[in-house]
Amino acid sequence: DADVTQTPRNRITKTGKRIMLECSQTKGHDRMYWYRQDPGLGLRLIYYSFDVKDINKGEISDGYSVSRQAQAKFSLSLESAIPNQTALYFCATSDYLGQGPDTQYFGPGTRLTVL
Amino acid sequence: RKEVEQDPGPFNVPEGATVAFNCTYSNSASQSFFWYRQDCRKEPKLLMSVYSSGNEDGRFTAQLNRASQYISLLIRDSKLSDSATYLCVVNLSNSGYALNFGKGTSLLVTP
Repeated sequence: DADVTQTPRNRITKTGKRIMLECSQTKGHDRMYWYRQDPGLGLRLIYYSFDVKDINKGEISDGYSVSRQAQAKFSLSLESAIPNQTALYFCATSDYLGQGPDTQYFGPGTRLTVL
Repeated sequence: RKEVEQDPGPFNVPEGATVAFNCTYSNSASQSFFWYRQDCRKEPKLLMSVYSSGNEDGRFTAQLNRASQYISLLIRDSKLSDSATYLCVVNLSNSGYALNFGKGTSLLVTP
């Protein structure tokens, strides 16, 4: 079984609809992240959470919100989807131990299309 | 100026060839460095961290030059299965939130 799972894997929706993307992990990591990837662009950070009570905005948080329901679950919501939110969305986790690099592990991605 | 820059390629090489990718980063305070591999429409997967002394993992060798602010990845004896996009990733700290991703370098290994 995959350590980081995302649902749905593909979603097509219409402008103005509310969408929730879900991420679950069995790695036991405290840190979770949401990224989006657009063609020709690098991954960009939307939100991140270092534990259940910690939520932080990333580079491109406008138009998105998140919820950290438990250590293992981190959801991304688009309150009113718009076409330029069409992208590939990745969830990631990491377990920084206070020294050395903080390696991130990615879920399989959700391909979202907003019409 | 983009924080992490890579030549997008594509690099087309025959099986068995040696190929090298470079990546430059703009912030001299960057602390940690990685190469990730991403197959088409799939998630990035860690290939290797990059250490100041350079490090090797089988056919892959990574080097870091802090003075010139660039990172390299060398792949020896290329395999068809090495075909992918290679992402250079730089972290302003050792903590995950400040990761900056390059756009990736595309490699195609041909028979």
